[in-house]
Amino acid sequence: AQSVTQLDSHVSVSEGTPVLLRCNYSSSYSPSLFWYVQHPNKGLQLLLKYTSAATLVKGINGFEAEFKKSETSFHLTKPSAHMSDAAEYFCVVSGPDMRFGAGTRLTVKP
Amino acid sequence: DAMVIQNPRYQVTQFGKPVTLSCSQTLNHNVMYWYQQKSSQAPKLLFHYYDKDFNNEADTPDNFQSRRPNTSFCFLDIRSPGLGDAAMYLCATSYSLWGRGTADNEQFFGPGTRLTVL
Repeated sequence: AQSVTQLDSHVSVSEGTPVLLRCNYSSSYSPSLFWYVQHPNKGLQLLLKYTSAATLVKGINGFEAEFKKSETSFHLTKPSAHMSDAAEYFCVVSGPDMRFGAGTRLTVKP
Repeated sequence: DAMVIQNPRYQVTQFGKPVTLSCSQTLNHNVMYWYQQKSSQAPKLLFHYYDKDFNNEADTPDNFQSRRPNTSFCFLDIRSPGLGDAAMYLCATSYSLWGRGTADNEQFFGPGTRLTVL
């Protein structure tokens, strides 16, 4: 069985400050892990994915995530938030079934 | 550009009146998914097709049906929409390497169809 827990339902940061969105997972397999972003009234866009290669994964728009097996975590970070980063973020574990986290809403204050 | 297209983007229907949502893809992916997403919630998988093989989630109501006439197209039919079916419906595709029809690779999402039930 697989599951994923996003530890914060809402994160608020100021523009230009770092972003940390936390995700813990549980899987009986060697999982693939994904972060997706969803802007209002839009579909989901893939930010980055981990598929058992490098543990530090770089994605689009300056985001990156580190896979830590010992901590069963896959936290998403960005050094400097931009107003356009305000959106809903979903952590997803896969293999063979896909499980979505509940989502984290990121607010960016000017 | 290769993409996933959903039509219409906004759909209004009446309580109990059948409605069909469509999805097409130019990615030539072998798996197509339908999700239901309600406000401030994660997407909920309704069913998926691995090629022509239909895979229904155990808790998907019988009111929801799907058709995949060819690789490129997939339809979501809601036979008798209720007020609780008002939601965003997302179509996604992926290429399955394992042949199990589920998510061994990233999914590509369409923009969604927002369904309103009056």
